Amino acid sequence: DAGVTQSPTHLIKTRGQHVTLRCSPISGHKSVSWYQQVLGQGPQFIFQYYEKEERGRGNFPDRFSARQFPNYSSELNVNALLLGDSALYLCASSSTALNTEAFFGQGTRLTVV
Amino acid sequence: DQQVKQNSPSLSVQEGRISILNCDYTNSMFDYFLWYKKYPAEGPTFLISISSIKDKNEDGRFTVFLNKSAKHLSLHIVPSQPGDSAVYFCAASYGNKLVFGAGTILRVKS
Repeated sequence: DAGVTQSPTHLIKTRGQHVTLRCSPISGHKSVSWYQQVLGQGPQFIFQYYEKEERGRGNFPDRFSARQFPNYSSELNVNALLLGDSALYLCASSSTALNTEAFFGQGTRLTVV
Repeated sequence: DQQVKQNSPSLSVQEGRISILNCDYTNSMFDYFLWYKKYPAEGPTFLISISSIKDKNEDGRFTVFLNKSAKHLSLHIVPSQPGDSAVYFCAASYGNKLVFGAGTILRVKS
């Protein structure tokens, strides 16, 4: 049974560009959350989507947006990239909107140059 | 505002001994606590969780203890194995999100 899959695994972008990251949750899971992890810190919450609706948003600027599709996969979009957006972006999947068990993908390493 | 703190950046333990990883939190509204293990270039792997209404949960070599009055939880790994060497994150659930600590690097020496 496939776990949480994210694509791409690595990405290099230039300042000012935009990026789209993708996530497929575990089969049967309806909740997808996005986290940003910078070196030396724990993951920081960006968004949660459940049943295709945004259920929560962290303290990130409006340049960050996301959506969830009918098959529960999700995209995270970041516009006008800054050097500080360089990080590991993690997607977490859970069966409910509550985070009693959340399973993470391997992440997308984004480097902004 | 760090609501979840892991005050030990690293821990070194001999193989076969107990590893104890600690976590403190400030928000009494957290309702679930989770521990994750992370290897380099991989996503966090879920290990074990505990509801705020319990004080202990055990799964194989992993036991999590919760002391609500002290706002403290700990993860015990017994016996520790070299493959346990990784970064361990404590996370607390509040509504739709998990709040993570900064992690503790565990090194298990053989």
